Amino acid sequence: AQSVTQLGSHVSVSEGALVLLRCNYSSSVPPYLFWYVQYPNQGLQLLLKYTSAATLVKGINGFEAEFKKSETSFHLTKPSAHMSDAAEYFCAVTLVNTGFQKLVFGTGTRLLVSP
Amino acid sequence: EAGVTQFPSHSVIEKGQTVTLRCDPISGHDNLYWYRRVMGKEIKFLLHFVKESKQDESGMPNNRFLAERTGGTYSTLKVQPAELEDSGVYFCASSRDSRTQYFGPGTRLTVL
Repeated sequence: AQSVTQLGSHVSVSEGALVLLRCNYSSSVPPYLFWYVQYPNQGLQLLLKYTSAATLVKGINGFEAEFKKSETSFHLTKPSAHMSDAAEYFCAVTLVNTGFQKLVFGTGTRLLVSP
Repeated sequence: EAGVTQFPSHSVIEKGQTVTLRCDPISGHDNLYWYRRVMGKEIKFLLHFVKESKQDESGMPNNRFLAERTGGTYSTLKVQPAELEDSGVYFCASSRDSRTQYFGPGTRLTVL
């Protein structure tokens, strides 16, 4: 069965610093991978997705993620954090053997941005 | 284009009562999904509809949960009778092509 591990339930950065949120997955078949963000009092918003095309994926709000098969990772990065990036971030995987229908999520990482 | 909407945004009920959550998907999206996040844990899949048919309900916790999607438009998720461990945030999502799921704001259910 597939699984997703997000290292660090909380990550703190200063405004302007690099953001790095880690995600590792476990899967025996090629996955589709997603990052979602949940801002306070809002629903989940898709940041970016990997669906077997380019391994470096660019998303909204300056975020990007790189699919590394050898490391089974899909870490999320942003060169310079902004106060508005404070939110909870979720990594998710889905597989061909579920018709890419069932998302399996990590436990989430809350990003805190200090001035 | 309107996004996925869910009602109510918050529900507080007592153990043993019944609650019905509603989800309106994005217009034209045949796929509709329910997920749940219990406090402090990961978001977990509950079930998947294609139009009015249940495609996969492997994540439904037990027979106290009943999901319907009559007519293939909106969906309801009924919990009867509610237990303390049912508390959490219930998310609905929809998709057109199964590659990207768009989520609603969620319903926060509190069972006292």
